Amino acid sequence: NAGVTQTPKFRILKIGQSMTLQCTQDMNHNYMYWYRQDPGMGLKLIYYSVGAGITDKGEVPNGYNVSRSTTEDFPLRLELAAPSQTSVYFCASSYSGGSTDTQYFGPGTRLTVL
Amino acid sequence: AQTVTQSQPEMSVQEAETVTLSCTYDTSENNYYLFWYKQPPSRQMILVIRQEAYKQQNATENRFSVNFQKAAKSFSLKISDSQLGDTAMYFCAFQRSSNTGKLIFGQGTTLQVKP
Repeated sequence: NAGVTQTPKFRILKIGQSMTLQCTQDMNHNYMYWYRQDPGMGLKLIYYSVGAGITDKGEVPNGYNVSRSTTEDFPLRLELAAPSQTSVYFCASSYSGGSTDTQYFGPGTRLTVL
Repeated sequence: AQTVTQSQPEMSVQEAETVTLSCTYDTSENNYYLFWYKQPPSRQMILVIRQEAYKQQNATENRFSVNFQKAAKSFSLKISDSQLGDTAMYFCAFQRSSNTGKLIFGQGTTLQVKP
């Protein structure tokens, strides 16, 4: 199992550009999550999904969009990049949302918006 | 809304000694779950330990244990026999019992284990 994979690892964007952060898991997990981690801070939830076709907002959804067309993939879309979106983005997955189900995290994508 | 606070931005400990990291949280709920995650320089998030609020017994995982004080809304992590590989940022996290899996993280504590 590769676990949770994210691409790209690093990216520099100009203000106003768009991009999609890719996230794939091969553990047949139903739940997937996108978090952002600003320097020196904890992770904040952007969006999450409890299954294919179902997504919902987290704490900080503004400026982002997601889709979940398959169980395996949960891409995060930035439409008009802003400097405030400079952060490290983590994707995570779990079989269910229960507390006994460990969330497995990807290695992160470091995004810089200039 | 729930909040999680870690008031120690940085800590250090000598190898083989014991260190305690603090975490407080605020919630009006009775059932919830608490976690400690470790983030080494590789950035990989690793679950260290979890605690169910309805359990009075403190969770233990090898050298890691917690002191869960529900009334005080306190959830500290004790690392015994500290090792160089314990050097990392540690995050306390809160999860409601609603089964969505959404985690609320504290700001983190950077722990340096010195040889």
